[in-house]
Amino acid sequence: GENVEQHPSTLSVQEGDSAVIKCTYSDSASNYFPWYKQELGKRPQLIIDIRSNVGEKKDQRIAVTLNKTAKHFSLHITETQPEDSAVYFCAAIRGSYKLIFGSGTRLLVRP
Amino acid sequence: ETGVTQTPRHLVMGMTNKKSLKCEQHLGHNAMYWYKQSAKKPLELMFVYSLEERVENNSVPSRFSPECPNSSHLFLHLHTLQPEDSALYLCASSGVAGFNEQFFGPGTRLTVL
Repeated sequence: GENVEQHPSTLSVQEGDSAVIKCTYSDSASNYFPWYKQELGKRPQLIIDIRSNVGEKKDQRIAVTLNKTAKHFSLHITETQPEDSAVYFCAAIRGSYKLIFGSGTRLLVRP
Repeated sequence: ETGVTQTPRHLVMGMTNKKSLKCEQHLGHNAMYWYKQSAKKPLELMFVYSLEERVENNSVPSRFSPECPNSSHLFLHLHTLQPEDSALYLCASSGVAGFNEQFFGPGTRLTVL
């Protein structure tokens, strides 16, 4: 069935280091892959997304890569800062409406 | 803040109660969603409405009943819930269902006793 696997479940990095979160999906028809950030007690917010006709997308310190053949995509955060600490969710779309979310990665950036 | 509001923010109810969650979006969007967020589980899509028509019902028990009277409002009616239904219920909206950014509301923290 539809499934999005996300790893790692927790990630601790030193401020200034890079963080990488990886997701795999099962539905080869998926063609939209957003990443959401959820700070403690707050709502999820979109930080970056990528569509299947693109292999990589960057926005300042954040980048996402997509490998459609292998059915995996990754979030890269460079020069991490304490305010990057949050739970990050990947997702893949199924059809026109259904986002299937990964289980989340709790990122802790140590000052 | 993001244009999607939810009330109430917190709700405690017994298993025999009937209550409703309300969501309102001020973004001019055409699609609205209900999600359930439980501890240590992925965000689970419950229902999707596009142009006030339900287009997705993700095998949700009938004790959850959605209602979308217009494109700005979405309700989730609750009755005879179980303790395992305790969770954060998030509403979201998007311009066109699926392919655009989904804007989430702050959620309703539901506790079923």
